[in-house]
Parts: sequence; C-alpha cells; structure tokens
Amino acid sequence: GAGVSQTPSNKVTEKGKYVELRCDPISGHTALYWYRQSLGQGPEFLIYFQGTGAADDSGLPNDRFFAVRPEGSVSTLKIQRTERGDSAVYLCASSRRFPSGANVLTFGAGSRLTVL
Amino acid sequence: GDSVTQMEGPVTLSEEAFLTINCTYTATGYPSLFWYVQYPGEGLQLLLKATKADDKGSNKGFEATYRKETTSFHLEKGSVQVSDSAVYFCALLSSNRDDKIIFGKGTRLHILP
Repeated sequence: GAGVSQTPSNKVTEKGKYVELRCDPISGHTALYWYRQSLGQGPEFLIYFQGTGAADDSGLPNDRFFAVRPEGSVSTLKIQRTERGDSAVYLCASSRRFPSGANVLTFGAGSRLTVL
Repeated sequence: GDSVTQMEGPVTLSEEAFLTINCTYTATGYPSLFWYVQYPGEGLQLLLKATKADDKGSNKGFEATYRKETTSFHLEKGSVQVSDSAVYFCALLSSNRDDKIIFGKGTRLHILP
C-alpha cells in the first residue's frame, strides 16, 4: 500500500482481556518495527522484524506481549491479560531492508489502546 | 546505551518568532540523527535527517546541524507559523547496526497567531 496501515485506530478493552493490533507495512518493506508511545513520552521500542523473524524483541516489557509476522508482511502485536498500564498508542513503522540515514522509517497513524 | 535528550516543553512562541529546540545525544560511533514531527491527529513524519558530522538537514524552513563535538542536533527555524504547532521528536539510529531508532521524549510547540 501507499503507507503503513494500522488497525484498529482505537481500541477500548477491559482489564484482563486479550487484544490484537494489526500493522500492514508498505509493500516491499522488509523491516518492521513496533513502538509504544505513552502520553507525553517519546516512542519506546518494542520489537523489530526482518522478514518473518524477530531480529530484536528486547523492548517487549514482559511475556504478556508477543508479535508475529508469519509471511513477512502483515504483523500482529498480541497483548494478553491487559493491564491499565498497557494503555498507550502503539505505533508500527517499516523501511526497506535495514533502516539507515537513507532508508528511513515510515510510521503508521497508530492504534490507541485504552484499558479500563 | 544510546539515548537522546531534548528540551522539555511546551514551547510557546508568537508567529514569526525564531525557534530553537535543543537535542543532545549519547551514542558510540557515528549515529544517524533525525527530527520527526507529529501534527495533531497524525502519525510521526520524518522532518529532516543528517547522517554524518557537520551535515545539515533541512526541510520546510527547519534546519539542524549534526555537531559531533557537542553531540548535538538542535532544531531551528527562522520564522515559525501557526501550522508548525506540533510535537517534535529528536531521534538517533545507532551505527552499531542494531537497527533500533531511539527517540527523545518530544517537545510540544504552540505557535500563537
């Protein structure tokens, strides 16, 4: 597609529920990132994919968070047993191969998650 | 680890005023440096970038110069407009090839007509 698409744009859920957030990157972009942006903060790195594999998942806060990219395109961020502290905007970004000064990241509009 | 520190906001200026938003970084090697902007209701957009020391990135009247001696990448604009009201993020991409972009906390800019 023309840009990075994220769905849903808004998600309200109750504490303890399971949530999936979807990211559809720019066609041909092999690198895909998930970031989390809490209110008043900068984006915080969660996980990075090259193709189908997670190249770096060091930013995932705990084992309730998991992400997949089974065919090297669309990615899903999965959050189990949601907590109020998970409330944030979850951002997805993609780039050609490896990000660099030339291959900059293009971000989606984000999925705003609110856990009640 | 690598990090970015930028001035806290909000910054409030009158239209046509001069803008500086300070950004300093800590990194090994020679990172690439970026400014991203987030307009109300929109996603993060790349504003400008610089990939090596003394490079100047520029776009939409904004400029930032990569200063290795002071580890800084301050954002400047000579005459701001109301439409520049947004949140600005300084960021770096490590040269270590760990491929993570590290962001600062952001600076909210309000321009008054």
